[in-house]
Amino acid sequence: QQQVKQSPQSLIVQKGGISIINCAYENTAFDYFPWYQQFPGKGPALLIAIRPDVSEKKEGRFTISFNKSAKQFSLHIMDSQPGDSATYFCAASKEDNFNKFYFGSGTKLNVKP
Amino acid sequence: DTGVSQNPRHKITKRGQNVTFRCDPISEHNRLYWYRQTLGQGPEFLTYFQNEAQLEKSRLLSDRFSAERPKGSFSTLEIQRTEQGDSAMYLCASSNFLGHGTNEQFFGPGTRLTVL
Repeated sequence: QQQVKQSPQSLIVQKGGISIINCAYENTAFDYFPWYQQFPGKGPALLIAIRPDVSEKKEGRFTISFNKSAKQFSLHIMDSQPGDSATYFCAASKEDNFNKFYFGSGTKLNVKP
Repeated sequence: DTGVSQNPRHKITKRGQNVTFRCDPISEHNRLYWYRQTLGQGPEFLTYFQNEAQLEKSRLLSDRFSAERPKGSFSTLEIQRTEQGDSAMYLCASSNFLGHGTNEQFFGPGTRLTVL
C-alpha cells in the first residue's frame, strides 16, 4: 500500500520554464511534508518542507503548495535551470515519536538549456 | 566534511555471501535511519535507532538483515545469505530529534549493493 503517490514519473522543461510535481497522500495523520532532491550517485538532500497549517511555502525559486482537504501537495520550480535537473522525491511523515518518512516514487526532471 | 558518511560506496557480492555496511551519522545526532532504494523508486524505510536502541523495524527487514548501533554512534547493517533481490542502494540518514519540532533527516551518499 503506497502511502504517497507522486506524478509525473519524468518531466522535461525548457530553461526558464516552470516545473510542477504533484503528490497525494492517504493518511490524514501526516503533518510534515518535505521535498528531497537527489543527484545521481548522491543521497537525497532536503529542498523545502511544509506543515499543514499553511497552504504555501516559498524559498527562492521553490514553492510548495498544500491542499489539506484534497490531501495533495505540489512542488513548483520557477525559472527552471539546467542545474535543477535531478530526481525529486516528496515525502510525508507524522511528527510523533517515530518520524518515519514515506517517500513518493520520484520524478526525474530534465531542464533543457 | 561533517555530513553523513557511508562505506563502502559500492559492493558487489555473490549470492549467498554476507555483506556489512557502515554508516557514520552527523556527530551528536541521536537518530539514525536505514532506508533501501531500488531503481526508479523512492527510499523505503527499513529501521531506525534512537541512540543505541533499535525502536522500529519494517517488515521489509527479513531475518537475514540485522542492524546495530553500538554506543549510539556509527551503525552497521548486515545482510546474511544475500539474494539477487537484495540488490539496491542502502541509504543511511541521521537527525537530531529533540522530542518536538522538525526532525530533518540528513542522508548519506548510500551504499550500492549488487548481488550476482
